[in-house]
Amino acid sequence: KNQVEQSPQSLIILEGKNCTLQCNYTVSPFSNLRWYKQDTGRGPVSLTIMTFSENTKSNGRYTATLDADTKQSSLHITASQLSDSASYICVVSARGDSWGKLQFGAGTQVVVTP
Amino acid sequence: DGGITQSPKYLFRKEGQNVTLSCEQNLNHDAMYWYRQDPGQGLRLIYYSQIVNDFQKGDIAEGYSVSREKKESFPLTVTSAQKNPTAFYLCASSTTGTFVSGNTIYFGEGSWLTVV
Repeated sequence: KNQVEQSPQSLIILEGKNCTLQCNYTVSPFSNLRWYKQDTGRGPVSLTIMTFSENTKSNGRYTATLDADTKQSSLHITASQLSDSASYICVVSARGDSWGKLQFGAGTQVVVTP
Repeated sequence: DGGITQSPKYLFRKEGQNVTLSCEQNLNHDAMYWYRQDPGQGLRLIYYSQIVNDFQKGDIAEGYSVSREKKESFPLTVTSAQKNPTAFYLCASSTTGTFVSGNTIYFGEGSWLTVV
């Protein structure tokens, strides 16, 4: 069973609107959580990295939140642009694990329409 | 430019053939990785290497092989033993093989492999 679940699987939003993506995980003991953006046919690019003690982290119009107690994270996109159309991937690692043990979510496909 | 270069971008494999995907990085990273991405699934680890001349199997290593003769190069061979190789393959690298605050894993642009 996947230890990282993302929702929704896909969503369509109008340009200029906001949206929020969800990530629930069961990875334990928790070390850090990352959000990546992946354009179609390209490699993922890091957006944010959060450790256990961090609740919120922003990168431009992207804001990630983390609730380590409930094992949930969200990625909020503000004032969406056409270039935000991509898959957003949540990645979680456990304390002490090497990179080889990263747990990847299946991603949320976001489509921004004019 | 610093980064990870994967080639070819598109590759077609006939039944029974072995094919090799190239991955080169000029980031001076010690650790390198190969992932497979299928629609609707998270990335799955095929092989990883934390140092030259050493590599470890990931979760789905069967039907794949790698080598790490140079720090900057980590080629992946998809052998005929891999019965369902059609997928998007991603190479990645990082400064070390374990998480350090601020340490990031960088990905290449990926290679599409299709069986014909």
